[in-house]
Amino acid sequence: GQNIDQPTEMTATEGAIVQINCTYQTSGFNGLFWYQQHAGEAPTFLSYNVLDGLEEKGRFSSFLSRSKGYSYLLLKELQMKDSASYLCASMDSNYQLIWGAGTKLIIKP
Amino acid sequence: NAGVTQTPKFRVLKTGQSMTLLCAQDMNHEYMYWYRQDPGMGLRLIHYSVGEGTTAKGEVPDGYNVSRLKKQNFLLGLESAAPSQTSVYFCASRGLAGEVDIQYFGAGTRLSVL
Repeated sequence: GQNIDQPTEMTATEGAIVQINCTYQTSGFNGLFWYQQHAGEAPTFLSYNVLDGLEEKGRFSSFLSRSKGYSYLLLKELQMKDSASYLCASMDSNYQLIWGAGTKLIIKP
Repeated sequence: NAGVTQTPKFRVLKTGQSMTLLCAQDMNHEYMYWYRQDPGMGLRLIHYSVGEGTTAKGEVPDGYNVSRLKKQNFLLGLESAAPSQTSVYFCASRGLAGEVDIQYFGAGTRLSVL
């Protein structure tokens, strides 16, 4: 079956670094996506990885290991506005996104 | 540039009532999707469309119907609402941003079925 696993909730301190992990198992693989979703709002695209390695985009970086079925999202210099849910999604062989339940990130001052 | 627009934003229905959720996109995207989002679960695909006049079933299609008469619009219908359909519904369209195929989401419709 297809499955995406990520932690339900994480807490971090303003200014710190946090890593949100995601493991995936899908029928085929055409890339790994991370989306951000603030409470009551729509998901918005953050990052995409299709090859192994680290993609850096400002304070956010995303890593992929296809052999391990593993990705992480790294957030640096945390700000209060980063409090949100972070959704991991794998694109399967039919180019459909299979979504994890999301990780709620709580930032404390 | 509005992107993806969903109407209505909120709705309360009684069991057995019907309604239609409208999704409109102005990005000329071929692919459009309807998802539902429930607490503790990932987004689940209800139906999708790969172009005007085409629709296909997703993971959880039962109790829903869709139509894509115009490229920019994707309608989701509930013929006889049930409490199990209480959820947040998101529409998305898919298009290229540089070299990446990204799904763009509407703001969602919060539906309660009593």
